[in-house]
Amino acid sequence: GQNIDQPTEMTATEGAIVQINCTYQTSGFNGLFWYQQHAGEAPTFLSYNVLDGLEEKGRFSSFLSRSKGYSYLLLKELQMKDSASYLCALNNAGNMLTFGGGTRLMVKP
Amino acid sequence: DTAVSQTPKYLVTQMGNDKSIKCEQNLGHDTMYWYKQDSKKFLKIMFSYNNKELIINETVPNRFSPKSPDKAHLNLHINSLELGDSAVYFCASSSGPFPSYEQYFGPGTRLTVT
Repeated sequence: GQNIDQPTEMTATEGAIVQINCTYQTSGFNGLFWYQQHAGEAPTFLSYNVLDGLEEKGRFSSFLSRSKGYSYLLLKELQMKDSASYLCALNNAGNMLTFGGGTRLMVKP
Repeated sequence: DTAVSQTPKYLVTQMGNDKSIKCEQNLGHDTMYWYKQDSKKFLKIMFSYNNKELIINETVPNRFSPKSPDKAHLNLHINSLELGDSAVYFCASSSGPFPSYEQYFGPGTRLTVT
């Protein structure tokens, strides 16, 4: 089985940095994804980690530690448009993704 | 140009009815999926098709039946709708059935069963 935990809500200030954590337990591991979902819209891909370490993509970075069952998404220079839910998703077999409940991020001026 | 499209966007119907949701992708992808997102925002895989063949079928009631007439389409038919079926249903596609391929999601169909 699998279990994915991430905070339900976070609040941050425009221009700041925020880190959204995701911890997981799984019997098999084929990668961890982060998706962004604005209210009422479809999820969109942000990042994919299969090896330990940090993947940087513009203002967004994602980190993975397989031994600790831990990942985080780092958002820098926050903008109001970053207000959204951020979904951690685990790929344990084939191409089946198991999603966490998502972290709703509110960016305030 | 819409990569993954779904119709209808909203669907309101009564318990016991049968309804279908259509999905089409123009990305040339081989693999398509159906997800259900409930009121608590949990996104759960329902089905996955690769080249029109079913490869993932999670624990979903038999009332749900996917149909893939070709690689670009994956429709979802639901019989005898129940209140608990109310949710947002997302179609998605990826270029292959392997772990590293990102999935592209459609805009979702909000189903309300009354």
